[in-house]
Amino acid sequence: ETGVTQTPRHLVMGMTNKKSLKCEQHLGHNAMYWYKQSAKKPLELMFVYNFKEQTENNSVPSRFSPECPNSSHLFLHLHTLQPEDSALYLCASSQEWVQRYEQYFGPGTRLTVT
Amino acid sequence: SQQGEEDPQALSIQEGENATMNCSYKTSINNLQWYRQNSGRGLVHLILIRSNEREKHSGRLRVTLDTSKKSSSLLITASRAADTASYFCATDSVGYGQNFVFGPGTRLSVLP
Repeated sequence: ETGVTQTPRHLVMGMTNKKSLKCEQHLGHNAMYWYKQSAKKPLELMFVYNFKEQTENNSVPSRFSPECPNSSHLFLHLHTLQPEDSALYLCASSQEWVQRYEQYFGPGTRLTVT
Repeated sequence: SQQGEEDPQALSIQEGENATMNCSYKTSINNLQWYRQNSGRGLVHLILIRSNEREKHSGRLRVTLDTSKKSSSLLITASRAADTASYFCATDSVGYGQNFVFGPGTRLSVLP
């Protein structure tokens, strides 16, 4: 256990559905991240939150909407997804965002868009 | 072009042998990190080496950093079947913004 939990672990959704991924960290960290890992592609950083404020949005389509109500919780709201959005979505946290301290990852949510 | 790129893409060795993986990058960095990922799971942090460091050890792991060549290596000594995983380097580049990038990884298979 890394101290970062993600739910659900698996999700199958249609292109017209709306769903949310949840991440919670119990490490007292101030920065949280969403990554996308597709087959045969490097891990892609999607969003960064530092002290609940979004500090990075790496040109992610608007059908992905993050929410960070506090430093311990991070959500990724999904709507009108495409089949190419099927991937493993990983949440991570670190002590701070600046200087990129080591990141602690959750187990991921395997998303399949049908 | 990718910032961090591991080499080889895949490596297969026998238990007890040493495994060496390399990472090359393109721009100046603050630090470089190595992570391990077991199949379909989250990543686990292994080692962070800062730009002013040349070598770090952690158990059976040894990481080197050559900033003049913009490269790093991860050595796993006396490998075990449990070391079978994908290994990624991640670089934190100098500057502000989209500067933390993972490489595509090396898939290591340790055969019993």
